[in-house]
Amino acid sequence: AQLVESGGGLVQPGRSLRLSCAASGFIFDDYAIHWVRQAPGKGLEWVSGIDWNGDGSGYADSVKGRFTISRDNARHLLFLQMDSLTTEDTALYYCVKGNSNYYESSAYFRDWGRGTLVTVSS
Amino acid sequence: DVQMTQSPSTLSASVGDSVSITCRASQYISNWLAWYQQKPGKAPKLLIYRASTLESGVPSRFSGSESGTKFTLTISGLQPDDFATYYCQQYKNYSPYTFGQGTKLEIK
Repeated sequence: AQLVESGGGLVQPGRSLRLSCAASGFIFDDYAIHWVRQAPGKGLEWVSGIDWNGDGSGYADSVKGRFTISRDNARHLLFLQMDSLTTEDTALYYCVKGNSNYYESSAYFRDWGRGTLVTVSS
Repeated sequence: DVQMTQSPSTLSASVGDSVSITCRASQYISNWLAWYQQKPGKAPKLLIYRASTLESGVPSRFSGSESGTKFTLTISGLQPDDFATYYCQQYKNYSPYTFGQGTKLEIK
């Protein structure tokens, strides 16, 4: 499995950014996909996950109401729309393949992208 | 949410040593626990899942165990390539998923 993130960059607080993840090497619409982030020098935080068909999704409390995850199975793409960004959202964002169809189903993470860096600063 | 308390935060050891890293869950999670290794500038690498199942290709010097809500990663006979940061992750059916704070394994 290959996962390649893009869309990161420097953005001012309160603005928006959309991350993308291009997937290959596996049957994309068989799996839930997740975003996991890592602030500079800090640990790992699960951000969001989405079911294989896009019908179900979940979010960490820290981003609920501000971030929206979506997917395009025809193009093997995953997205993360990030609105009302704060400095606390500064992190490397990883696209991660789950190990089942549903994001709620006991996911450990075998396949990771290399990440895309989001920096929120004025 | 299930909280994962990982210890120690830093561990100094020498090549050939055996070391253990512990994670405690704030509630019962059965054996829904994974361990990852992360090196600087790299994505985490899955080492162990279901608390004690070794991921394919991971050396047998890595092992995992559980006792109630306490989980242990043991590395027997440290190799130079093992000096990295290690994280645990609980994946009980969507709680949501949470990670330990990480343990940095340093060369003594």
